[in-house]
Amino acid sequence: EAQVTQNPRYLITVTGKKLTVTCSQNMNHEYMSWYRQDPGLGLRQIYYSMNVEVTDKGDVPEGYKVSRKEKRNFPLILESPSPNQTSLYFCASSFTDHYEQYFGPGTRLTVT
Amino acid sequence: KNQVEQSPQSLIILEGKNCTLQCNYTVSPFSNLRWYKQDTGRGPVSLTIMTFSENTKSNGRYTATLDADTKQSSLHITASQLSDSASYICVVTLRPQFYFGTGTSLTVIP
Repeated sequence: EAQVTQNPRYLITVTGKKLTVTCSQNMNHEYMSWYRQDPGLGLRQIYYSMNVEVTDKGDVPEGYKVSRKEKRNFPLILESPSPNQTSLYFCASSFTDHYEQYFGPGTRLTVT
Repeated sequence: KNQVEQSPQSLIILEGKNCTLQCNYTVSPFSNLRWYKQDTGRGPVSLTIMTFSENTKSNGRYTATLDADTKQSSLHITASQLSDSASYICVVTLRPQFYFGTGTSLTVIP
């Protein structure tokens, strides 16, 4: 089944404890992206990747890192999480940035 | 500043009725405009994608229109069903980035 998977789905952590949210797609998509969704603000793009080893900042990249070593995987790294990074995170992929994006199920992160 | 604004914020309609959701944007130039449906707690699902040269695009009971001159788009839902209850999000693409509206929350009641 064609899909985007994210892990974990739920995570509660403490300020400053490094964490990684994984994202994987099985559709051979070149374009992958991370978003955060907050009430009243909608979805905002954190980072995106046009292809392997090519990543770039979106609108809200501060406090996040990404890597794209393989086409299928695009992990989101929070080196030192803070409470303002408490949010619902979505990973998405598409053939290119011009085509339909497929979203993962989301990861709800709480930083205390 | 690139912005996408949607109205209304929320809407309640009776099952079987039609409704229209609005999207105004300032993103320019843009490559395409998308409408997504997002059920509570789930990832958005694509409904339509229109390039700047297209005026309308349909997907079953969903019809999106685009006026690139006035920078407005609308999503019309025909003969609403209870399963249409969701948030509808307008997204404008300025390649390779995406700009999202805050969505319209639609509730369909029996």
